[in-house]
Amino acid sequence: DAGVIQSPRHEVTEMGQEVTLRCKLISGHNSLFWYRQTMMRGLELLIYFNNNVPIDDSGMPEDRFSAKMPNASFSTLKIQPSEPRDSAVYFCASSFAGMDTEAFFGQGTRLTVV
Amino acid sequence: TQLLEQSPQFLSIQEGENLTVYCNSSSVFSSLQWYRQEPGEGPVLLVTVVTGGEVKKLKRLTFQFGDARKDSSLHITAAQPGDTGLYLCAGRRSQNFVFGPGTRLSVLP
Repeated sequence: DAGVIQSPRHEVTEMGQEVTLRCKLISGHNSLFWYRQTMMRGLELLIYFNNNVPIDDSGMPEDRFSAKMPNASFSTLKIQPSEPRDSAVYFCASSFAGMDTEAFFGQGTRLTVV
Repeated sequence: TQLLEQSPQFLSIQEGENLTVYCNSSSVFSSLQWYRQEPGEGPVLLVTVVTGGEVKKLKRLTFQFGDARKDSSLHITAAQPGDTGLYLCAGRRSQNFVFGPGTRLSVLP
């Protein structure tokens, strides 16, 4: 397996534009996490899914952010409209559900909103 | 307020030195994990500690889980430039992973 795959690796967009980040899970994993990382706030959990169902979206900053899992192996995180303060590195991670399992991270998408 | 605190925030040392970084919480976790993140990459798991008082060794790295399962430490012996990176501790809460802010380690040759 190639691991968790995120695309794009880098995204530069203008304020107000829609941004869609994509994530392909490791085959067989049933938990999916979206994180945002900044120097100021570290790694923040935005939302996580179990078996394609959103379990906790309390970390999603506001209504401009939405995440979906249309199937067991793929997820998207959408920001509409984007703002400069959304600039960060966005990671998705997948794992098997369970208390002592490991989170496998993608390489991240570096988003810059100008 | 961070659920997990890590110290120090930054650490710069010479190759060959020893160091210890800490992860503390007021909450009890069923397990704690340590991850290392290199620039441009996602975090990668180093170890999971589950039992209070547990000590695990991974080559030059020694991990300890506190007796009360609220804190953990990572000790590196004879640090090398390849150890440079961001060290993150993570606790399991419900079914998700809660990360600390990290210790950014720089090992100078």
